[in-house]
Amino acid sequence: GEDVEQSLFLSVREGDSSVINCTYTDSSSTYLYWYKQEPGAGLQLLTYIFSNMDMKQDQRLTVLLNKKDKHLSLRIADTQTGDSAIYFCAEKANAGKSTFGDGTTLTVKP
Amino acid sequence: NAGVMQNPRHLVRRRGQEARLRCSPMKGHSHVYWYRQLPEEGLKFMVYLQKENIIDESGMPKERFSAEFPKEGPSILRIQQVVRGDSAAYFCASSPSAGQGNYGYTFGSGTRLTVV
Repeated sequence: GEDVEQSLFLSVREGDSSVINCTYTDSSSTYLYWYKQEPGAGLQLLTYIFSNMDMKQDQRLTVLLNKKDKHLSLRIADTQTGDSAIYFCAEKANAGKSTFGDGTTLTVKP
Repeated sequence: NAGVMQNPRHLVRRRGQEARLRCSPMKGHSHVYWYRQLPEEGLKFMVYLQKENIIDESGMPKERFSAEFPKEGPSILRIQQVVRGDSAAYFCASSPSAGQGNYGYTFGSGTRLTVV
């Protein structure tokens, strides 16, 4: 079945860039997503990328996709303390459910 | 636009009782997904429903768990005879379509079930 893997923790200093990595196994994945979860809350969709793209930029967020290696990354520029949260990578084929990774806890130190 | 509404936010049940979790999808969304998040773990898919139909229940435990999404009213996730291992956060998400398109999910705030 589908599998999505992420490293569990990342710690950066305020103002630095954060890079969160993700690998997936399903070659039929059509869309790949990044979600953010703050404590006690549900997940919030941050951004997505279509599988025929290799990069997408949205303000401080840059998503890179290496389809050959099935590797996805999320770069947050000028990381702020408010960016501290759990970040989930997810994939979806054309129809049906999304499969989520276990989440990367980002800690931003002042 | 109220988004995805889940209730209750917190639910405490004794072992052996039933738990009913409700989810009203975002206006205009006809696809509902339930996920479970165990402490210190990621989101695990449970079930995907459209109105009056279960599309994919491959993540549902075979016993004690059921889900429905009636023509009228919210989607319900029902857990019978709860055990301590059912303690988790249960999230509902909705999307306008599961077919073509980039439709990411809109999540509710979750129901945190504690079994004592």
